[in-house]
Amino acid sequence: EDKVVQSPLSLVVHEGDTVTLNCSYEVTNFRSLLWYKQEKKAPTFLFMLTSSGIEKKSGRLSSILDKKELFSILNITATQTGDSAVYLCAVEDVPGGGADGLTFGKGTHLIIQP
Amino acid sequence: EAGVVQSPRYKIIEKKQPVAFWCNPISGHNTLYWYRQNLGQGPELLIRYENEEAVDDSQLPKDRFSAERLKGVDSTLKIQPAELGDSAVYLCASSTGRGREQFFGPGTRLTVL
Repeated sequence: EDKVVQSPLSLVVHEGDTVTLNCSYEVTNFRSLLWYKQEKKAPTFLFMLTSSGIEKKSGRLSSILDKKELFSILNITATQTGDSAVYLCAVEDVPGGGADGLTFGKGTHLIIQP
Repeated sequence: EAGVVQSPRYKIIEKKQPVAFWCNPISGHNTLYWYRQNLGQGPELLIRYENEEAVDDSQLPKDRFSAERLKGVDSTLKIQPAELGDSAVYLCASSTGRGREQFFGPGTRLTVL
């Protein structure tokens, strides 16, 4: 059974701080790891990672995958109050291998204080 | 481009009543997913469609849940009868194919009293 564990489950920091969110996983046949941001409604896509060691960046957010150690991190630099959200990590198997769809972690609830 | 549309956004029912949720995916997206998200948890997959075919419904509680995707576009998820433990947000997502980015709808928040 696929498993995704995120840490910390909640985090409170001040505006301007840098945060690192962690995601470790166990999957039958790994295809990709995805990060989503969820505010009060639907999760919105941030990154899809398939290759180890290649950093993906979008503005102040970046993410990297380590397929050997089975984890990924999501970094947010110079945090703003608008970054407050639940950040979800999910993994997907290759077709025919393990669970279908995405297997999500419980998320990290990030709160940015002004 | 319109996103994934879901309705209703909120639904409150009494236990043992039936309920149905509707999803209209992004145009051209052949793959459609239904997820259930309990409070404080990540979404959990219920069923995946490729066009009109349900290719994975192993997580769908078939004694009370059913889903359909007639004509491979809109989809409906039904619960009959609802139980207290069914209270959750039901999310629909679509993509151009398995392994592609999934776009989520706003969800339907179900409260069973």
